[in-house]
Amino acid sequence: DAKTTQPNSMESNEEEPVHLPCNHSTISGTDYIHWYRQLPSQGPEYVIHGLTSNVNNRMASLAIAEDRKSSTLILHRATLRDAAVYYCILRDEIQGAQKLVFGQGTRLTINP
Amino acid sequence: EAQVTQNPRYLITVTGKKLTVTCSQNMNHEYMSWYRQDPGLGLRQIYYSMNVEVTDKGDVPEGYKVSRKEKRNFPLILESPSPNQTSLYFCASTLTGTDSYNEQFFGPGTRLTVL
Repeated sequence: DAKTTQPNSMESNEEEPVHLPCNHSTISGTDYIHWYRQLPSQGPEYVIHGLTSNVNNRMASLAIAEDRKSSTLILHRATLRDAAVYYCILRDEIQGAQKLVFGQGTRLTINP
Repeated sequence: EAQVTQNPRYLITVTGKKLTVTCSQNMNHEYMSWYRQDPGLGLRQIYYSMNVEVTDKGDVPEGYKVSRKEKRNFPLILESPSPNQTSLYFCASTLTGTDSYNEQFFGPGTRLTVL
């Protein structure tokens, strides 16, 4: 499995941008980079994904390095509701199965 | 509203008493799966189903069974629960099991305690 490396924890202030890094130096050419987050006492929820180009959606932006060995999830204006564990995941393709391989993620704390 | 539902949300049971955790999705998804989440071990896949009547083992299938008789339902069965199956369980679904870009939808979780 292609692995990802994320900081264990990060802290930011409300209404400020947050940049969550992820290293994936063994990524293969066809791996999609997915981000999920898990709010307290809830199931994981999809945030964003990309392959090569930067991506934006209503929740966040994803910046992918040119060599694809790292990526950054950007929350443009963090709110208290964004406090969660953020997982950077490479879509693992085993016989076509949609298994998501979750690491330990980054626990994001937002200060009011 | 598009969602994955699980029941029960909380369950305390005793060793050896068969139980079923139900999972249902209303998005006409082909692919469904079960994960368990344990401290320090993260989320690990138990079983998955590519479509109706097609199921296969994930990373930690021992002690669990599943069935997929209908597209919307994917129950997790513990025939003889043991304390090491005490965990937080999540059901998930996605459109197909063959595309690497589809997002997965997760249920709210079932916290199981086996005494």
